[in-house]
Amino acid sequence: GIQVEQSPPDLILQEGANSTLRCNFSDSVNNLQWFHQNPWGQLINLFYIPSGTKQNGRLSATTVATERYSLLYISSSQTTDSGVYFCAVEGWGNNRLAFGKGNQVVVIP
Amino acid sequence: DTAVSQTPKYLVTQMGNDKSIKCEQNLGHDTMYWYKQDSKKFLKIMFSYNNKELIINETVPNRFSPKSPDKAHLNLHINSLELGDSAVYFCASSQDLRTSYGYTFGSGTRLTVV
Repeated sequence: GIQVEQSPPDLILQEGANSTLRCNFSDSVNNLQWFHQNPWGQLINLFYIPSGTKQNGRLSATTVATERYSLLYISSSQTTDSGVYFCAVEGWGNNRLAFGKGNQVVVIP
Repeated sequence: DTAVSQTPKYLVTQMGNDKSIKCEQNLGHDTMYWYKQDSKKFLKIMFSYNNKELIINETVPNRFSPKSPDKAHLNLHINSLELGDSAVYFCASSQDLRTSYGYTFGSGTRLTVV
């Protein structure tokens, strides 16, 4: 199956700092999504981004499908950004999302 | 108005028991899923249903049986619970099978088998 690697696995940020999370995948995909799991366990869909760039407030994401990677940018981080960020991809005709192991982010005040 | 709701939120039970987790979505989505998240936070798909039809059964033991009475509901029944079944189980839904657009997770059910 398709492999998804996320880096860095762990990240500690000072409040107000910017950061970039990376997702590499092993095959071409027709679907890529970023999720945030907050410290209470809730999984929130951040972006549906099989290609191109999208922005939502302080978060933005870029997927370069031809080079098989996606980036999630967090700007002016806040403590509420803490949690685990998951990248998930779906190969063509696969009908399932394969999740990476996540980026654990801790934002300290 | 919770989009994907699952009950119960917590479940503590003894080995060998049978238990069920219920899931309902009010988004009008066609496709629903069950995921298992282990202690290392790894998320793995277990089942998916599209309009009540089983699409994915991802090498899950026969003790796990999903049931979809209609496209808004997908329940998970687990027989003869084992210690290794302890995990957080998430239900999710998406608009349809082809695009997986609008992926929405429930709040999870933390199952502890003692």
